[in-house]
Amino acid sequence: NAGVMQNPRHLVRRRGQEARLRCSPVKGHSHVYWYRQLPEEGLKFMVYLQKENIIDESGMPKERFSAEFPKEGPSILRIQQVVRGDSAAYFCASSPLRTYYGYTFGSGTRLTVV
Amino acid sequence: KQEVTQIPAALSVPEGENLVLNCSFTDSAIYNLQWFRQDPGKGLTSLLLIQSSQREQTSGRLNASLDKSSGRSTLYIAASQPGDSATYLCAVAEETSGSRLTFGEGTQLTVNP
Repeated sequence: NAGVMQNPRHLVRRRGQEARLRCSPVKGHSHVYWYRQLPEEGLKFMVYLQKENIIDESGMPKERFSAEFPKEGPSILRIQQVVRGDSAAYFCASSPLRTYYGYTFGSGTRLTVV
Repeated sequence: KQEVTQIPAALSVPEGENLVLNCSFTDSAIYNLQWFRQDPGKGLTSLLLIQSSQREQTSGRLNASLDKSSGRSTLYIAASQPGDSATYLCAVAEETSGSRLTFGEGTQLTVNP
């Protein structure tokens, strides 16, 4: 599989629960990015990670959101104590070397908070 | 702060027409510019990537141009087909970091049979 794999595709959580979104980059890509698309809005940058390092988290909400990209395994975007305003599509992208070769995006995880 | 604007927001054309989608950005210090298409409820498919040193890129019926100094890019779609119906997104990577994409709001294209 040559693409970026995200799971789950759809996730429903009750207010106050935790949401974990997973992203496996294209094989050989060491750079991972997370973007959020709120309903009727454009995509917004959240965080940029390399293996075991957060490079740029300037787009992450200050509270409840965290991201990691461990040495082994997928990148995880974690949202604690979800609220209705967290309902959105979360997209992961990967690239081999910064963005010179452009990004490859996954199909996204659609989070619904009820 | 980089801002990306896409015009028009929506476009409806009959099949077979040639059309142009516009993208403008406020900070010309970009690393590259990428055009994507997004189908409803789906992810993003990369269409064309233009490096800051390039003027245009072509793929099949698609041609994208870049005028970095004026902060503009256009996506030209020749002989449009119903299967081209989707939202087209323009995104620029900042020169300073090259790691963060700033997206426009997109142009929603409908091609009618």
